[in-house]
Amino acid sequence: GAGVSQSPSNKVTEKGKDVELRCDPISGHTALYWYRQSLGQGLEFLIYFQGNSAPDKSGLPSDRFSAERTGGSVSTLTIQRTQQEDSAVYLCASSPEPGLAINNEQFFGPGTRLTVL
Amino acid sequence: AQSVTQLGSHVSVSEGALVLLRCNYSSSVPPYLFWYVQYPNQGLQLLLKYTSAATLVKGINGFEAEFKKSETSFHLTKPSAHMSDAAEYFCAVSASGGSYIPTFGRGTSLIVHP
Repeated sequence: GAGVSQSPSNKVTEKGKDVELRCDPISGHTALYWYRQSLGQGLEFLIYFQGNSAPDKSGLPSDRFSAERTGGSVSTLTIQRTQQEDSAVYLCASSPEPGLAINNEQFFGPGTRLTVL
Repeated sequence: AQSVTQLGSHVSVSEGALVLLRCNYSSSVPPYLFWYVQYPNQGLQLLLKYTSAATLVKGINGFEAEFKKSETSFHLTKPSAHMSDAAEYFCAVSASGGSYIPTFGRGTSLIVHP
């Protein structure tokens, strides 16, 4: 079956512009995560959606970052007034219903490489 | 709270040599532990995971890892490195019964020399 997909694969924007990054999780996966991966850094957690619960936004670095998940499926990460330090690879991952040990792994998309000039 | 430490941002081995990538964790509850691999310009994919069923876990591509509670470690090994193993490797910990947001280590880049 299809894996996690992300679009666009690459995005170049000018400082101050807004960008939207899209994630299509695996069908039926209730959990969805966004991460940021900067050069030479590990994965920085941004936001977590689980079913119809309120998202965990504790990782968002500033109020310029926001995310939505519509219909429990597709998610969009929006960065407003982009800054050069926002340049990174943004990874999305989905997971089946958490709470079951065997299902706790994450399935990652290929990422969106964002470059802010 | 949970955390992961991967010792060594880069590990270099010769083809055919033993691969050892180190991961130490801290968790206040029994952990789930994972190793993921990331090839250039790709997302992460699961190599193996520990979920308390067995302390020695075998994964894909000949990798395995052993959970050692007394040492709070989950080191990744492979007896004989192949050129195709060159990639970034991430260790992650997730707390059972708690938050399902895993914590990732900073990653170890494995370099394989011919």
